Amino acid sequence: QVQLVQSGAEVKKPGASMKVSCKASGYTFTAHYMHWVRQAPGQGLEWMGLINPGSGSTDNAQKFQGRISMTSDTSTSTVYLALSSLRSEDTAVYYCAREIVLLSSPIVAFDFWGQGTILTVSS
Amino acid sequence: DIQMTQSPSSLSASVGDRVTITCRASQTISTSLNWYQQKPGKAPKLLIYAASSLQSGVPVRFSGSGSGTHFALTISSLQPEDFATYYCQQSYSTPMYSFGQGTKLEIK
Repeated sequence: QVQLVQSGAEVKKPGASMKVSCKASGYTFTAHYMHWVRQAPGQGLEWMGLINPGSGSTDNAQKFQGRISMTSDTSTSTVYLALSSLRSEDTAVYYCAREIVLLSSPIVAFDFWGQGTILTVSS
Repeated sequence: DIQMTQSPSSLSASVGDRVTITCRASQTISTSLNWYQQKPGKAPKLLIYAASSLQSGVPVRFSGSGSGTHFALTISSLQPEDFATYYCQQSYSTPMYSFGQGTKLEIK
């Protein structure tokens, strides 16, 4: 069965960097793009970026330009999200989410999600 | 950027009720619209993709409709496990896959 297992909670100081992992299993790792979505406390969902795990190509929301990095390791079926220059507004739950693949339609939707990683940024 | 606006922001209903949540896009997005359900402390779950296609394993009481700028998620007969927050998401404007602000469905 498809599983996305994320790394544990992190506490960082403002200005620091974080790196979250998402280990995939139960499917062909390189066959599905992976996305990152975050959710601040009591708030809605915010799309951050995506990675093609096979090629390593990425794209991200303009808001995070210059601070975000997404990488993949095909040997361990793991994708990583790194975010630098952290501020208090980055406190959130970070999710990895697998992009659906449909032969009938080039739709983009997220069919499996990790359990979430809580990041707290506080001095 | 395409803005997604859901209404209402919150809704109280009873078990067995028929409920409709709407989502409006700031510009046309064809049928590139998904719906997710999220329960407290859990990751979102895909319910509907491409505006009206039911994701595998999702009960048939959930349905989606709409195209262009106006969309709806309907639950035909609310069950206790349906009380959650629902989000729409547009996938038309790549790669900026924006979400609506959410609709919290509560028990009356």
